[in-house]
Amino acid sequence: DARVTQTPRHKVTEMGQEVTMRCQPILGHNTVFWYRQTMMQGLELLAYFRNRAPLDDSGMPKDRFSAEMPDATLATLKIQPSEPRDSAVYFCASGLQGVRPDTQYFGPGTRLTVL
Amino acid sequence: QKEVEQNSGPLSVPEGAIASLNCTYSDRGSQSFFWYRQYSGKSPELIMFIYSNGDKEDGRFTAQLNKASQYVSLLIRDSQPSDSATYLCAVISGYSSASKIIFGSGTRLSIRP
Repeated sequence: DARVTQTPRHKVTEMGQEVTMRCQPILGHNTVFWYRQTMMQGLELLAYFRNRAPLDDSGMPKDRFSAEMPDATLATLKIQPSEPRDSAVYFCASGLQGVRPDTQYFGPGTRLTVL
Repeated sequence: QKEVEQNSGPLSVPEGAIASLNCTYSDRGSQSFFWYRQYSGKSPELIMFIYSNGDKEDGRFTAQLNKASQYVSLLIRDSQPSDSATYLCAVISGYSSASKIIFGSGTRLSIRP
């Protein structure tokens, strides 16, 4: 049963600390997406990769957020320094572009709380 | 104007009735359309996808697409309390290497026993 995995599932940290979230996409998928979801803003796309290359990170605050994909089995999202307004659920999703259904499958999310 | 719009709800439907969820999109070049269901505290899960005008049925779910009017809808027949969730409409515009999926803000559905 292929699934997207994310770690950690929950993270509580203090303002100013670095936060790293990790995602393992479904094996064989060539696109990876990072989303942030809050009650107020809904689901926001932060960044996405295709074949490990960043295609769009316009939704991400560049001064504190960074996303990378060091290899095909790992995507990371870092926040440094973290702020209380970063508190949200962060989802990773993966998909296979060019093959229908060209949709995305979501991981369970990382619930981040910044105090 | 948002690219993908949904009524936030809540939409309250009695058990056994038909629930109708609607979504409109702004880009006429949109090619792929999806419905996701998200239970509280869980991640979105894909329940339907549709690419061509008309209806597509899968069990109790029917997706309807009208590209001329730029709307896509989801019908849930014989609604069950387990259908209570937020339903997200998602659209992919075009089919370039940079095309990306755009999500609506979701409609909260509540099925009352």
